[in-house]
Amino acid sequence: AQSVTQLGSHVSVSEGALVLLRCNYSSSVPPYLFWYVQYPNQGLQLLLKYTSAATLVKGINGFEAEFKKSETSFHLTKPSAHMSDAAEYFCAVSETGTASKLTFGTGTRLQVTL
Amino acid sequence: DGGITQSPKYLFRKEGQNVTLSCEQNLNHDAMYWYRQDPGQGLRLIYYSQIVNDFQKGDIAEGYSVSREKKESFPLTVTSAQKNPTAFYLCASSISTGEVYEQYFGPGTRLTVT
Repeated sequence: AQSVTQLGSHVSVSEGALVLLRCNYSSSVPPYLFWYVQYPNQGLQLLLKYTSAATLVKGINGFEAEFKKSETSFHLTKPSAHMSDAAEYFCAVSETGTASKLTFGTGTRLQVTL
Repeated sequence: DGGITQSPKYLFRKEGQNVTLSCEQNLNHDAMYWYRQDPGQGLRLIYYSQIVNDFQKGDIAEGYSVSREKKESFPLTVTSAQKNPTAFYLCASSISTGEVYEQYFGPGTRLTVT
């Protein structure tokens, strides 16, 4: 069975600082991995996805994530935080062959301070 | 504009009443999903449907029912059997991009039952 662990339910960074949101996954087969962002009282928006084509994935709004099989990780980073990045971020995993089913982590709320 | 609509945005019901949440998509996606979101728990899958007239239970289907009579529509009924129905409900849809089924989300319906 697939699962996702997001370390840190709340992360606070200063504007301009590095953003690092952690995600570790468990999967019995090669996974597909996703990062979504959710602003208050809204749906989820896809930031980026890993589909085995490249281990370093670039997404929207300056975010990127690196797939590390040896560490079963898919951490999300952004070099310089902006106030508009304050939101909740979800990591999700989908196993090949189970088309459609995503398993989500519990989310990390990012706070950006001046 | 293509997208997913959920209505209403906010819904209030008395305990013991069934309530139906609407989800419509004009993306021509084959698959549709319902998730429940509670604070600190991420998203949990209630039901999903990969084709018209067919649907499968997710991880927390008890107390919920769905129908898929049209490709565009996937309504969710929260029955009186659901013990704790107050939550934020998200509908999503997906189409295969190669092997990857990335999901697109609606804006959500916040249900409060008192």
